[in-house]
Amino acid sequence: QKEVEQDPGPLSVPEGAIVSLNCTYSNSAFQYFMWYRQYSRKGPELLMYTYSSGNKEDGRFTAQVDKSSKYISLFIRDSQPSDSATYLCAMGNDYKLSFGAGTTVTVRA
Amino acid sequence: DAEITQSPRHKITETGRQVTLACHQTWNHNNMFWYRQDLGHGLRLIHYSYGVQDTNKGEVSDGYSVSRSNTEDLPLTLESAASSQTSVYFCASSTSNTEAFFGQGTRLTVV
Repeated sequence: QKEVEQDPGPLSVPEGAIVSLNCTYSNSAFQYFMWYRQYSRKGPELLMYTYSSGNKEDGRFTAQVDKSSKYISLFIRDSQPSDSATYLCAMGNDYKLSFGAGTTVTVRA
Repeated sequence: DAEITQSPRHKITETGRQVTLACHQTWNHNNMFWYRQDLGHGLRLIHYSYGVQDTNKGEVSDGYSVSRSNTEDLPLTLESAASSQTSVYFCASSTSNTEAFFGQGTRLTVV
């Protein structure tokens, strides 16, 4: 069993829809949780990070962490074609990160 | 601006050859990492370093080695390239438990 499980999708939504992405994990030692966005043929770039259970908002993006259920989510409101990318969840402790497989999202204009 | 660069961006090599992928960062970060990215597996950690002369094995380290002689560079060496090592390789650096900055990746094909 992988430490971090993420539905690879792909996910296709119309412009303006809410995108919901999820990951589950098994390692209770993970202390911080992140979402990275990766455009085609580019390196991942950090989108959101959080250390605690609860919600964190940044513009159209909301990251949600439930440590008791070992479950994290990313919501994208009012999705735009420019949000089309692969989204990777990541979590870690001791400076090392474990990544999910990534979910490819396409937002149709 | 500080950055992290990988070279080459693309490499084709033959089975059995030794290959070295370069990673250079100007962030002055202590932590550096090498990942490989394959379809269905996401990013898997190969080796990492927390500082000069420090190196550690990740989850998929067999057939790879790294050395850290200065803060800026962490070259990744494939001792004897195998077709199973065909992948996209990413180098990253960080200074804390927050953001890791990634390079643009090296696409390696072993034929």
